[in-house]
Amino acid sequence: EPEVTQTPSHQVTQMGQEVILRCVPISNHLYFYWYRQILGQKVEFLVSFYNNEISEKSEIFDDQFSVERPDGSNFTLKIRSTKLEDSAMYFCASRTGQGRAAFFGQGTRLTVV
Amino acid sequence: AQSVSQHNHHVILSEAASLELGCNYSYGGTVNLFWYVQYPGQHLQLLLKYFSGDPLVKGIKGFEAEFIKSKFSFNLRKPSVQWSDTAEYFCAVNSGGTSYGKLTFGQGTILTVHP
Repeated sequence: EPEVTQTPSHQVTQMGQEVILRCVPISNHLYFYWYRQILGQKVEFLVSFYNNEISEKSEIFDDQFSVERPDGSNFTLKIRSTKLEDSAMYFCASRTGQGRAAFFGQGTRLTVV
Repeated sequence: AQSVSQHNHHVILSEAASLELGCNYSYGGTVNLFWYVQYPGQHLQLLLKYFSGDPLVKGIKGFEAEFIKSKFSFNLRKPSVQWSDTAEYFCAVNSGGTSYGKLTFGQGTILTVHP
């Protein structure tokens, strides 16, 4: 069965450093998402991406965040200057289109120290 | 803004017991409803979904859920749980009219099944 894959599974970074979280969505999917889950809290929507542009973003997704689909297969989330409160599990998801459910990756645990 | 509430944070059952996990949402318009499961160390997997039609939907592994529009609820059920059902269960909603599919999640319910 096709899967959404995320790398790395765990990333530790120092506060103020830039991180890039990588995702390979399922190949025929058109809609791409990033979510995050801070320990003990709900899974929260960050951003959706369709047709090579951001289609919707949450209040969390401020100027320090950006997304890119550089080569037609990878989908990346960049955090420019990490803060302690960015520590969370980050999930990538993708889906084919309307009327279809999203498939999720296994997540990247980001720890900012 | 839409929100999702799951009634139970942690449910503990013995094998063969029946399961019902509550989920309520707040949103006035058309919604699509989902239950996802996360087994320890694994990714979120879709258990079942409701878009339209029969409000009783059947998913994988013997799970089902019933959409009751008047109660804004989408409770998950299984008549007889197994030890392998131990996992965290998430209810999620998106606005049916939103073409980009943003999901709003509940806080999750941890299910522990004792053999």
